[in-house]
Amino acid sequence: KAGVTQTPRYLIKTRGQQVTLSCSPISGHRSVSWYQQTPGQGLQFLFEYFSETQRNKGNFPGRFSGRQFSNSRSEMNVSTLELGDSALYLCASSSTDRGNSPLHFGNGTRLTVT
Amino acid sequence: KNQVEQSPQSLIILEGKNCTLQCNYTVSPFSNLRWYKQDTGRGPVSLTIMTFSENTKSNGRYTATLDADTKQSSLHITASQLSDSASYICVVSASGGYNKLIFGAGTRLAVHP
Repeated sequence: KAGVTQTPRYLIKTRGQQVTLSCSPISGHRSVSWYQQTPGQGLQFLFEYFSETQRNKGNFPGRFSGRQFSNSRSEMNVSTLELGDSALYLCASSSTDRGNSPLHFGNGTRLTVT
Repeated sequence: KNQVEQSPQSLIILEGKNCTLQCNYTVSPFSNLRWYKQDTGRGPVSLTIMTFSENTKSNGRYTATLDADTKQSSLHITASQLSDSASYICVVSASGGYNKLIFGAGTRLAVHP
């Protein structure tokens, strides 16, 4: 089975721009969650989608948004980029939305904002 | 406040040696505890998941223990290999969805030849 695929792997953007990151979950997984990882804050939950519905959202500003499509693929969007948005963005998929199943992470998108 | 603390922050050991990483948590209500291995530049990979009733779980040379009474977990790595060099992240899940995952800051392990 193919793992979780995230594209692109690297991205360099300028302050004020917007960016869209993509995540393809493991086949059959309907739960997709997104995380931001920085050296200072570690891993932080962004949001979770299950069957195209956002189930939970972390403590991030409204500039961070996402969606999930009918094939379970997910995208996250960050608008009006700030320098502090530079991070590794990780997507994970799971077979359930109950928080007790293994999470399978992709290798992330490294976003650099200049 | 729900928290997960890991120690040490970093560790250097020689190839072939054993090591133990620690994780203390204050998370309620507790659902499960997970250990992940994260190689540089890659996503975390699950090593073990333990629920309240499990106190030991192994995955090859990795053995995790859980003491739910003292709210402590450890990850023991046996006969370390160079490929074990990575960050090891302890994650505790409160009951609910994935927004209830509390991440530790990780222990960075370096295995030297």
